[in-house]
Amino acid sequence: KQEVTQIPAALSVPEGENLVLNCSFTDSAIYNLQWFRQDPGKGLTSLLLIQSSQREQTSGRLNASLDKSSGRSTLYIAASQPGDSATYLCAVRLAGTYKYIFGTGTRLKVLA
Amino acid sequence: DGGITQSPKYLFRKEGQNVTLSCEQNLNHDAMYWYRQDPGQGLRLIYYSQIVNDFQKGDIAEGYSVSREKKESFPLTVTSAQKNPTAFYLCASSPDGGELFFGEGSRLTVL
Repeated sequence: KQEVTQIPAALSVPEGENLVLNCSFTDSAIYNLQWFRQDPGKGLTSLLLIQSSQREQTSGRLNASLDKSSGRSTLYIAASQPGDSATYLCAVRLAGTYKYIFGTGTRLKVLA
Repeated sequence: DGGITQSPKYLFRKEGQNVTLSCEQNLNHDAMYWYRQDPGQGLRLIYYSQIVNDFQKGDIAEGYSVSREKKESFPLTVTSAQKNPTAFYLCASSPDGGELFFGEGSRLTVL
């Protein structure tokens, strides 16, 4: 059974710092991996989607990498800002299905 | 604007009542999903639908029902059989093989 883990559960950093969020999954048979941001009481906003054949994707200050063989993905945030404060979740889509499995998220706080 | 609309945003239910949460999308996506989110837990899949008139149970389908009569709509009914329905409910959609998009969520509270 696919399990998705995100460590740490919470992170607090000063403004301007570069940071890395981690996502690990137990079964490498995935179709894609997606990173999301969730603000309190809101829905999820898609940040980056990495297909299983890709190694990384970039959008602005965000860079996500995927190592399928080791079951790991990282989300790199450059020059963090207080507006980046939110919960970040990763999800994997199981190969051959339409099912997505989510991690429990990392709650990020960027201090001004 | 294209997107996913969930309603109502907040809903209160008395024990023993059924309630229906609405989810409408104008993105022309084939697949639609319902997730439940509880504090400290990740999103858990309730039901999903790959195509009109077809849907599959997710990991926590007991006490819930869905229908998919139109491509744009995927309503979720929380029945009285659901023992702990208070939660944040999220609807999502995706094109075949593509990115997953979410609505703003519906918060259900049982009084």
